[in-house]
Amino acid sequence: KAGVTQTPRYLIKTRGQQVTLSCSPISGHRSVSWYQQTPGQGLQFLFEYFSETQRNKGNFPGRFSGRQFSNSRSEMNVSTLELGDSALYLCASRQGASTNEKLFFGSGTQLSVL
Amino acid sequence: AQRVTQPEKLLSVFKGAPVELKCNYSYSGSPELFWYVQYSRQRLQLLLRHISRESIKGFTADLNKGETSFHLKKPFAQEEDSAMYYCALGASGGSYIPTFGRGTSLIVHP
Repeated sequence: KAGVTQTPRYLIKTRGQQVTLSCSPISGHRSVSWYQQTPGQGLQFLFEYFSETQRNKGNFPGRFSGRQFSNSRSEMNVSTLELGDSALYLCASRQGASTNEKLFFGSGTQLSVL
Repeated sequence: AQRVTQPEKLLSVFKGAPVELKCNYSYSGSPELFWYVQYSRQRLQLLLRHISRESIKGFTADLNKGETSFHLKKPFAQEEDSAMYYCALGASGGSYIPTFGRGTSLIVHP
């Protein structure tokens, strides 16, 4: 099975712009979650989608949003980019919704905001 | 609020020495705990989870609810164990908001 695929691998944007990141989960996985990774804050949970519905949301402003399509692919959008949004954005998939299921991570999208 | 604390940013040992990566958590419910590992130039991957009570690559971790800890241990470190290790809490019985520690970088010297 192919692993979790994230595109693009790198992105450079300027302040005020918006950006869309994409994540394709492992085939058969219905849950996709997103994380922001920075050297200062570590790995922080953004939100999780399961069967096209947002199930949980972390403590991030409304500029961060996402959605999931019927084929389980997910997109994350960040509007009005700020310098502090520069980070590695990871997505992870898992088959179901049980909290003891392991996460399979993608390689991430490195976002730089100038 | 959920919290995961990994007190050591960096742990440096010699090959063959015992290793213990510390993880403490704060959660009022029944915790689900995991260790994830990221080797150089590889993606983050699951190492082990407490529910499985397994040993992976010689690593074990025991959940101690009294001390709210889930330390990762290996009796004899190998150079290939050098990596970044993250302890994670995936709560059960309610909203699933996984919480990760900030990670410990393990360096095993030859």
